[in-house]
Amino acid sequence: DAKTTQPTSMDCAEGRAANLPCNHSTISGNEYVYWYRQIHSQGPQYIIHGLKNNETNEMASLIITEDRKSSTLILPHATLRDTAVYYCIVRVARGGADGLTFGKGTHLIIQP
Amino acid sequence: EAGVVQSPRYKIIEKKQPVAFWCNPISGHNTLYWYLQNLGQGPELLIRYENEEAVDDSQLPKDRFSAERLKGVDSTLKIQPAELGDSAVYLCASSPLAGGPTGELFFGEGSRLTVL
Repeated sequence: DAKTTQPTSMDCAEGRAANLPCNHSTISGNEYVYWYRQIHSQGPQYIIHGLKNNETNEMASLIITEDRKSSTLILPHATLRDTAVYYCIVRVARGGADGLTFGKGTHLIIQP
Repeated sequence: EAGVVQSPRYKIIEKKQPVAFWCNPISGHNTLYWYLQNLGQGPELLIRYENEEAVDDSQLPKDRFSAERLKGVDSTLKIQPAELGDSAVYLCASSPLAGGPTGELFFGEGSRLTVL
């Protein structure tokens, strides 16, 4: 799996949009971008994934640049419960594959 | 629908003692993973099962760690003897065979081990 680069930590005000960047300049054509988050004392939780088109679900939006070398996870209206570590992971899609390779992620702190 | 269930949630032992963690994956999920998470780090894969077969155990320290998934459902991860450096959270995850529609892994809450 290609490696990713994320900021170590970010702050965001409650109610504002949280934009979490991720660089994955060595991503291969068959690799997807996945986002997971881990709330304190819980296991990681899937958020969203995409290949090259922007994606949106009930939790977040994923914006992938045209060259696919970077992406941004957007939490449109952050709440205190969104405080967590967010992991950006690239992997060959579903394939049951070799699991996920986590980096250190971004610690997002939502400020009241 | 029940999620991935792990036990115990917390375990404190003295070094050189054995310890075992249990995982019950989501019903119907053929693939099961054990991860190790040290403080401040992302999870690291220890072993992956497809049904009862360990298809990737390259990162499992086999001198003291062992795992089994009899009957291809529940799984147990054992450490014997435990060392101080084994203090960490042990996470279990499961997914449908071939990843299902999204390729997501479903994680349990983890078992936090403290070795004194």
